[in-house]
Amino acid sequence: NAGVTQTPKFQVLKTGQSMTLQCAQDMNHNSMYWYRQDPGMGLRLIYYSASEGTTDKGEVPNGYNVSRLNKREFSLRLESAAPSQTSVYFCASSRGYVGAEAFFGQGTRLTVV
Amino acid sequence: AQKVTQAQTEISVVEKEDVTLDCVYETRDTTYYLFWYKQPPSGELVFLIRRNSFDEQNEISGRYSWNFQKSTSSFNFTITASQVVDSAVYFCALTTGNQFYFGTGTSLTVIP
Repeated sequence: NAGVTQTPKFQVLKTGQSMTLQCAQDMNHNSMYWYRQDPGMGLRLIYYSASEGTTDKGEVPNGYNVSRLNKREFSLRLESAAPSQTSVYFCASSRGYVGAEAFFGQGTRLTVV
Repeated sequence: AQKVTQAQTEISVVEKEDVTLDCVYETRDTTYYLFWYKQPPSGELVFLIRRNSFDEQNEISGRYSWNFQKSTSSFNFTITASQVVDSAVYFCALTTGNQFYFGTGTSLTVIP
């Protein structure tokens, strides 16, 4: 029962470096999401994919890009990392119908120095 | 616009005390769903409960209970006889479609 798997779990980047966070789910879910969690801010939606082949911006998309590679995988790319992107990133998935709960990965703790 | 407010940032209780976590939501949609998630110190988010806007029946599951009141736009969570294992950050969330809107969370510490 892997559920939602994120890699890596920890990452330190230098300002200006790029990286891709990987996310895969094995529950045949239609919708996938990327959130960031910052102290006192809760979870904020970066991008989501309602279904395979579609992606939409969330609340805080600036500085990020996403790719829904197939139904299982949804990656998040930071093209030029900034210290403001230091955060814990969570990938989630859901069946996609209204009211379906989201299942979350273990999170990626990213530090940009 | 959708919004979830968890006014309690941090709560500390002594073990075996009851504690209620508040959640107030805003939406103009008539069909919506409310959720509670738990984030223990290990970091993962765990789904606890879902409620839809047409079901105001309160729910009890063991030591946990939820009070949904549309009249006050609230979906409060009560833990009875708290235990140290209940120490976590608890998030309330709202969805009316594809997106989930989360509150800022309430950090609960249960002191032995």
